[in-house]
Amino acid sequence: NAGVMQNPRHLVRRRGQEARLRCSPMKGHSHVYWYRQLPEEGLKFMVYLQKENIIDESGMPKERFSAEFPKEGPSILRIQQVVRGDSAAYFCASSPTSGSKNEQFFGPGTRLTVL
Amino acid sequence: TQLLEQSPQFLSIQEGENLTVYCNSSSVFSSLQWYRQEPGEGPVLLVTVVTGGEVKKLKRLTFQFGDARKDSSLHITAAQPGDTGLYLCAGALGSNYKLTFGKGTLLTVNP
Repeated sequence: NAGVMQNPRHLVRRRGQEARLRCSPMKGHSHVYWYRQLPEEGLKFMVYLQKENIIDESGMPKERFSAEFPKEGPSILRIQQVVRGDSAAYFCASSPTSGSKNEQFFGPGTRLTVL
Repeated sequence: TQLLEQSPQFLSIQEGENLTVYCNSSSVFSSLQWYRQEPGEGPVLLVTVVTGGEVKKLKRLTFQFGDARKDSSLHITAAQPGDTGLYLCAGALGSNYKLTFGKGTLLTVNP
């Protein structure tokens, strides 16, 4: 029973390049969430998706960031024209429902370093 | 302003000691989760509490949700080096699926 999978685990990009982060939710989970963890800060919500739908992207910067969760395949968080301030750990979580108990299970994260 | 305040921020103790860490807020949460995160890894869910006054036990760990659902505590009995890690609390407001995280308590248990 595999947990949430993320790849790559580490990603190095130069300023101006694109970063693509992938997340495969736990089996049976149709709700995916992306969070960002900056040094010295807690995890911050970015976006919530269900299959083929973005439900809430209120925590995601309006420029350069986008997310998708296609019918087939993993969820993708895409950062265009990366800047040094994008360096952080990006975590994906999944849940079977979005109910009040709202238990979210996290993947190991992708550590993005922008040079 | 941090919605969820965790204290202490750092805690270093000897193996065998007991400890309590706290998670406080002025907001009411519909549910609250505790996670443990190790360096280079993602948060691992330990427990979810949903009812005011609820107490849950997980081996040597005891979790309590405040009566007003604004605060929570985690008590560890006879701490072991394997308990070392960053303990995070996270709450959901109303039916909101967004988890709000505290900054965590970094626990070090020395052998």
